Amino acid sequence: DQQVKQNSPSLSVQEGRISILNCDYTNSMFDYFLWYKKYPAEGPTFLISISSIKDKNEDGRFTVFLNKSAKHLSLHIVPSQPGDSAVYFCAARRDSGGSNYKLTFGKGTLLTVNP
Amino acid sequence: DAMVIQNPRYQVTQFGKPVTLSCSQTLNHNVMYWYQQKSSQAPKLLFHYYDKDFNNEADTPDNFQSRRPNTSFCFLDIRSPGLGDAAMYLCATSEGTVGLSPLHFGNGTRLTVT
Repeated sequence: DQQVKQNSPSLSVQEGRISILNCDYTNSMFDYFLWYKKYPAEGPTFLISISSIKDKNEDGRFTVFLNKSAKHLSLHIVPSQPGDSAVYFCAARRDSGGSNYKLTFGKGTLLTVNP
Repeated sequence: DAMVIQNPRYQVTQFGKPVTLSCSQTLNHNVMYWYQQKSSQAPKLLFHYYDKDFNNEADTPDNFQSRRPNTSFCFLDIRSPGLGDAAMYLCATSEGTVGLSPLHFGNGTRLTVT
């Protein structure tokens, strides 16, 4: 039962263009969403997050959009740079209480930014 | 720099031979997690410690155990590794478990079972 889905295993874009990474979720109780970036041979590093009370959060070149009614979020990277080439994981968590701490991850999308 | 350190980076063990993976942190976070990640799969939570309180995931096999002797260290013990336990094991920490508290990951230990 995969509650967080990243349906595109890979994405390739040209340097300077926009990268759009998508994530869908099935659990309507999720309230918090986080994106992680992972380089080969390294652990995932936190990138950006959004709570369900917002529909957009921006940090420099990275913007996350949340559409609660569609249970969909996306990460936009503008402009894309070769150093952005990595695996991007979407993760989600419910609000506090009981076992709701758990951060559930998607399978990740490999982004390749070509010079 | 404050960080999460996992040792060793690569571990090879024989089928059925117990193995221990270690994790230390300098972030002074109260929560420590162990995730298992197989190729092209989502990281899967095995268990976590909230301070000294151990929280096991319902589907974590009994073969996997954990110890947290103090705030800084956490160990993953695999009592009888099988071929299916070959994976990347990720340790992570967080300050609390709610809201937008991000997890901070180590670089992982890649376990090979021969």
